[in-house]
Amino acid sequence: ETGVTQTPRHLVMGMTNKKSLKCEQHLGHNAMYWYKQSAKKPLELMFVYSLEERVENNSVPSRFSPECPNSSHLFLHLHTLQPEDSALYLCASSPRGNGGLGGTDTQYFGPGTRLTVL
Amino acid sequence: GQQLNQSPQSMFIQEGEDVSMNCTSSSIFNTWLWYKQDPGEGPVLLIALYKAGELTSNGRLTAQFGITRKDSFLNISASIPSDVGIYFCAGGGNKLVFGAGTILRVKS
Repeated sequence: ETGVTQTPRHLVMGMTNKKSLKCEQHLGHNAMYWYKQSAKKPLELMFVYSLEERVENNSVPSRFSPECPNSSHLFLHLHTLQPEDSALYLCASSPRGNGGLGGTDTQYFGPGTRLTVL
Repeated sequence: GQQLNQSPQSMFIQEGEDVSMNCTSSSIFNTWLWYKQDPGEGPVLLIALYKAGELTSNGRLTAQFGITRKDSFLNISASIPSDVGIYFCAGGGNKLVFGAGTILRVKS
């Protein structure tokens, strides 16, 4: 138990569905992250929220939309996904939230949501 | 962009053996982190390194932050069956950059 929880753990959705992934951290951290993990590829950083402000990450398609209502909760809203978006989506948090992309801050991961897009 | 080369990609272990893996890069990093991921779970932090030359242990695990700040290694001594899984290195600079992972399997 790392103090970061994610729901749901598994999600199957059609390409026209809209769904949301939820992450909650109980560590009192100031920064939260979304990563995508595909088979045989390194983890890809998608979004960073530092002190509840989004740090831009320009390479993510607009069909992924993050929301951070407070420092403990992070959502990833999904719509019109493609089959190649099927992956494990990991949430992480880190203590400092220094306004950058969190490179020098130790990150703690949740268990992930296994997403399958049909 | 920044990339990490993690090796080996996979290895088989016999119980009791020592295991070594490493990550190298052409870029300099300010921190090195080592994680382990079990099937169906997220990565769990094993060791965090914050200073060049730092050598840190966590039980049977030992990791070092290379002097050049471009590499790090992880050693596991006297491996046990529950050591199987995927081990990731991560270099911290502007953002955290992950290696592709080393898969540890048990020799049958």
